[in-house]
Amino acid sequence: GDSVTQMEGPVTLSEEAFLTINCTYTATGYPSLFWYVQYPGEGLQLLLKATKADDKGSNKGFEATYRKETTSFHLEKGSVQVSDSAVYFCALPGGGNKLTFGTGTQLKVEL
Amino acid sequence: DSGVTQTPKHLITATGQRVTLRCSPRSGDLSVYWYQQSLDQGLQFLIQYYNGEERAKGNILERFSAQQFPDLHSELNLSSLELGDSALYFCASSVGVSQGEGEQFFGPGTRLTVL
Repeated sequence: GDSVTQMEGPVTLSEEAFLTINCTYTATGYPSLFWYVQYPGEGLQLLLKATKADDKGSNKGFEATYRKETTSFHLEKGSVQVSDSAVYFCALPGGGNKLTFGTGTQLKVEL
Repeated sequence: DSGVTQTPKHLITATGQRVTLRCSPRSGDLSVYWYQQSLDQGLQFLIQYYNGEERAKGNILERFSAQQFPDLHSELNLSSLELGDSALYFCASSVGVSQGEGEQFFGPGTRLTVL
């Protein structure tokens, strides 16, 4: 079945460091791909998405490119801030209306 | 603020009991989804309703049930509670039917603790 694999956390970075969170997927065809973010004590919110191969989603300085050759959708940000500390989830639509999430990667950014 | 509301925020109860979690979707959204987030199983899709009808089922136990009412709010009923049911329960909503097409908006969650 469809699945998402994310790099394990927690990831701890200094402010202004470069961020990469790896995400690979297994799916039939070329589904849309999403990154959701969960800030402490809150629900998930959509960070960015890509709807087809080679698309680049971007928002709030974060980017991810849909790579069908490597079945990947890695999240990147050039310069992280303390306010980016959160849990990040890669996700894709599974069978039917199911949305399948990765295990989540906790990011902690320190001054 | 996503526009999705969930009550209560916290719920503490005992094993064997029954609880009801409530969700009000964003204005205009017809789909409601329920998810369970736990440390050992991560974020799991439970069930989806669209305009009052069940549309998809995920890893929902038989002890759990849900419904969506004519005013589009939804309730998740959890019965014969076990310690392992302790988790964060999220409700999300979207305009359309398919999760693959559009964004889902998540509520702040209900934290259930079963003692």
